[in-house]
Amino acid sequence: GAGVSQSPRYKVAKRGQDVALRCDPISGHVSLFWYQQALGQGPEFLTYFQNEAQLDKSGLPSDRFFAERPEGSVSTLKIQRTQQEDSAVYLCASSLTVAGPTNIQYFGAGTRLSVL
Amino acid sequence: DQQVKQNSPSLSVQEGRISILNCDYTNSMFDYFLWYKKYPAEGPTFLISISSIKDKNEDGRFTVFLNKSAKHLSLHIVPSQPGDSAVYFCAASGTGSARQLTFGSGTQLTVLP
Repeated sequence: GAGVSQSPRYKVAKRGQDVALRCDPISGHVSLFWYQQALGQGPEFLTYFQNEAQLDKSGLPSDRFFAERPEGSVSTLKIQRTQQEDSAVYLCASSLTVAGPTNIQYFGAGTRLSVL
Repeated sequence: DQQVKQNSPSLSVQEGRISILNCDYTNSMFDYFLWYKKYPAEGPTFLISISSIKDKNEDGRFTVFLNKSAKHLSLHIVPSQPGDSAVYFCAASGTGSARQLTFGSGTQLTVLP
């Protein structure tokens, strides 16, 4: 596709429910990032993939958060036993090459997760 | 502690005038800086960037200035247009193996017709 695609755009979950958020990066992009954006704040880094390898997951807030990119293209961010503090916009970004000094990251429109 | 700070949550400018958005950072390991623009219900869109080896980068109406000694950068938009009204995020990279972006909290720019 022309840009980074994320689905669903909106997700409402009951506390304790598991959710899965999908990211379809720009075709051919090697690097894929997940960010979490709380209301009124800038995005915060969660995790990074280079092709299918998850090279950095230092930003994941708890072991309830899990991400995968099994074939080096589409990625899924899974949140188990959702809590109210997980409510945020989850943004996916991709870039053409491996993480480097001048890489530009291109963002999807995000998934707005609301946990009730 | 916020490593990238945008101290002005909002800015209003008259159409045709200059908009100046400011950003400060604390981590001297940052070596690449980017500005993103975000419209409601859309993802951040890349606008312009600058490497730490430069002090200015220009692209059409947009110019970014970097003052490394002050750990400060600014985005100038001249002339401002109503379509420029959006939230502008400053971001920095250079730390972490992923070279992930560290964002400021954003400035809402409103350009008045």
